Amino acid sequence: AQTVTQSQPEMSVQEAETVTLSCTYDTSESNYYLFWYKQPPSRQMILVIRQEAYKQQNATENRFSVNFQKAAKSFSLKISDSQLGDTAMYFCAFMGPQGGSEKLVFGKGTKLTVNP
Amino acid sequence: GAVVSQHPSRVICKSGTSVKIECRSLDFQATTMFWYRQFPKQSLMLMATSNEGSKATYEQGVEKDKFLINHASLTLSTLTVTSAHPEDSSFYICSARGTRRQPQHFGDGTRLSIL
Repeated sequence: AQTVTQSQPEMSVQEAETVTLSCTYDTSESNYYLFWYKQPPSRQMILVIRQEAYKQQNATENRFSVNFQKAAKSFSLKISDSQLGDTAMYFCAFMGPQGGSEKLVFGKGTKLTVNP
Repeated sequence: GAVVSQHPSRVICKSGTSVKIECRSLDFQATTMFWYRQFPKQSLMLMATSNEGSKATYEQGVEKDKFLINHASLTLSTLTVTSAHPEDSSFYICSARGTRRQPQHFGDGTRLSIL
C-alpha cells in the first residue's frame, strides 16, 4: 500500500521569506499523481499544485513550486515570498495510476505559520 | 472553475436523529465523489467513494448502514448519518472530480455536533 510521510508537523516562516515543506512517499507504481493541498483555519481544502509522475518538469503555480525527485520518491513544496494568508495546514497527497485505486492517500500534514 | 458546494456548513442536533449532508459540483460533472471525515488536528480519513448511479464503496471499518451515501446524479451526492450519536460528531468533507486525470476538488466541509 502506498504511504505518504510529512516529517515536519509544524513550521514557521517570516513574511516575504521562502519555506520548503517536505513530503516523501512509497509506491511501486511508475506512473501516479502527487498533490499539495492547503487547509486554512476555515478548513476548506484548496488544491495548491499537482504533479504527474511521468512529467520530469517540476510543476509551478505562481509562488508555489515543487521539487519532484522520482528516484528518491520525494515531493517537496516551496513557497516563495510567503504571505500571511499562506498560514494553513498543508497536506501532501498521492494518487495511483489510471485503472488503479482512485483514492487520495494523504500525509499527516504540516502546520505552517507565516509570521509578520 | 471546479467549484464544489457542501451544505450545511454546521449542524447541531440531538442524539438519535438523522442528518443529511449534500455535496454538489456546481460547474462540472462529477463522475466520482468522495466522503471524508476529519478529526481535530488530524488528516482526512476517506470514508467512501461513490460513482454516479452505482453503490458507494466503503472503506474498511466504516458502517454502511450508519453512513448512507447516495450519488443520484452527476452533480449531487448525499451523506446521511443515521441515528447519530455523540461519537459521530466530527468534520465531514466531500470532494468531487470529473475524469480520472482531474484532481479532486473539495467542499467547505460540515461540522456535525451531536448532543
